[in-house]
Amino acid sequence: GEDVEQSLFLSVREGDSSVINCTYTDSSSTYLYWYKQEPGAGLQLLTYIFSNMDMKQDQRLTVLLNKKDKHLSLRIADTQTGDSAIYFCAESSYSSASKIIFGSGTRLSIRP
Amino acid sequence: KAGVTQTPRYLIKTRGQQVTLSCSPISGHRSVSWYQQTPGQGLQFLFEYFSETQRNKGNFPGRFSGRQFSNSRSEMNVSTLELGDSALYLCASSIASDRASYEQYFGPGTRLTVT
Repeated sequence: GEDVEQSLFLSVREGDSSVINCTYTDSSSTYLYWYKQEPGAGLQLLTYIFSNMDMKQDQRLTVLLNKKDKHLSLRIADTQTGDSAIYFCAESSYSSASKIIFGSGTRLSIRP
Repeated sequence: KAGVTQTPRYLIKTRGQQVTLSCSPISGHRSVSWYQQTPGQGLQFLFEYFSETQRNKGNFPGRFSGRQFSNSRSEMNVSTLELGDSALYLCASSIASDRASYEQYFGPGTRLTVT
């Protein structure tokens, strides 16, 4: 069945890079996403990658996809206090693109 | 361009009652999806509506239903509320076309508390 797993917590020092990892099980996953949720807010789509891509870079964000191992990572360069949030890894398939399966979320905290 | 709006933002209901939540998508977006977020189960897909028709459905009981209007606004209804229905209900919209769109934008959610 469909499942997305990610670690629950990550703590990094301000200015360092943060790397959030995720694994998924559905081999038909076509779209892989990273969403950000701040306290009391909805979900913000940070970035997404298609399954036929290995990497996508967008300003401070770098997404790496290892399709063979079904492993997705999000790297945030120069992490700032404003990056404190919960980050959700998610996937959907081509046939049901709107049905997004989410991981449990990784809470990122920033140390001064 | 205004984002996805959801009303009300907070709601308190009693067990056994029913509730209706509303979602207005981003202008020009034709697809609306609903998700439930709870601490125990995380984020779970409820259903998606496109052109007033339910296009995808998650694994929720029939007490959860929805509809979409011709202006793409959507409502979600939960009947015979249970304590376990307490959650943040999120709505997402996407442009979509003849097939589901992968780029969804979420509203701030409606926090439902069932007592």
